[in-house]
Amino acid sequence: KAGVTQTPRYLIKTRGQQVTLSCSPISGHRSVSWYQQTPGQGLQFLFEYFSETQRNKGNFPGRFSGRQFSNSRSEMNVSTLELGDSALYLCASSPRASGNTIYFGEGSWLTVV
Amino acid sequence: DQQVKQNSPSLSVQEGRISILNCDYTNSMFDYFLWYKKYPAEGPTFLISISSIKDKNEDGRFTVFLNKSAKHLSLHIVPSQPGDSAVYFCAASAISNFGNEKLTFGTGTRLTIIP
Repeated sequence: KAGVTQTPRYLIKTRGQQVTLSCSPISGHRSVSWYQQTPGQGLQFLFEYFSETQRNKGNFPGRFSGRQFSNSRSEMNVSTLELGDSALYLCASSPRASGNTIYFGEGSWLTVV
Repeated sequence: DQQVKQNSPSLSVQEGRISILNCDYTNSMFDYFLWYKKYPAEGPTFLISISSIKDKNEDGRFTVFLNKSAKHLSLHIVPSQPGDSAVYFCAASAISNFGNEKLTFGTGTRLTIIP
């Protein structure tokens, strides 16, 4: 069974640009959540989607948005990038809504210059 | 407000000895706890979990202990092996304001096993 797949793995963007990251969950998983990891800050929850509906949201500005498609694939978008947005963005999937145990992809490394 | 705290950013343990990673939480509504392990350039992988109705859960070399009165959990790895060198995150689950369960992660502890 394939794991959670995230694309792209690495990318560099310029301040002010926008970026879209993609996530394909484990087959059969309908819940997708997104996390940001920065040094010393652990894993900060961004948002969670289940059946194309956002069910949980973390404390991030409105520049961070996401969506989920009917096939459970998800995208997150960050607009007007700032230097502080440089981080590892992790997607995780779970078989049920707000699942207790989530399974992570390898992440997308975003560098903003 | 850091509801899940891992106060030790790093820990070094000799190979073959016991590694003990600690985690404290403040939210009494947390009802499920997990440990994840993360290697560099990889996503975290699920290790072991425990429900709040238990005080111990064991899986091979890994044992998680939960002390609800102290709002403290710990992960014991015995014996420690070089492949255990990684960053360990504890996480806790509770019903969010949106009415669904949400995981809150600690900041991680980097474990180094010394051969």
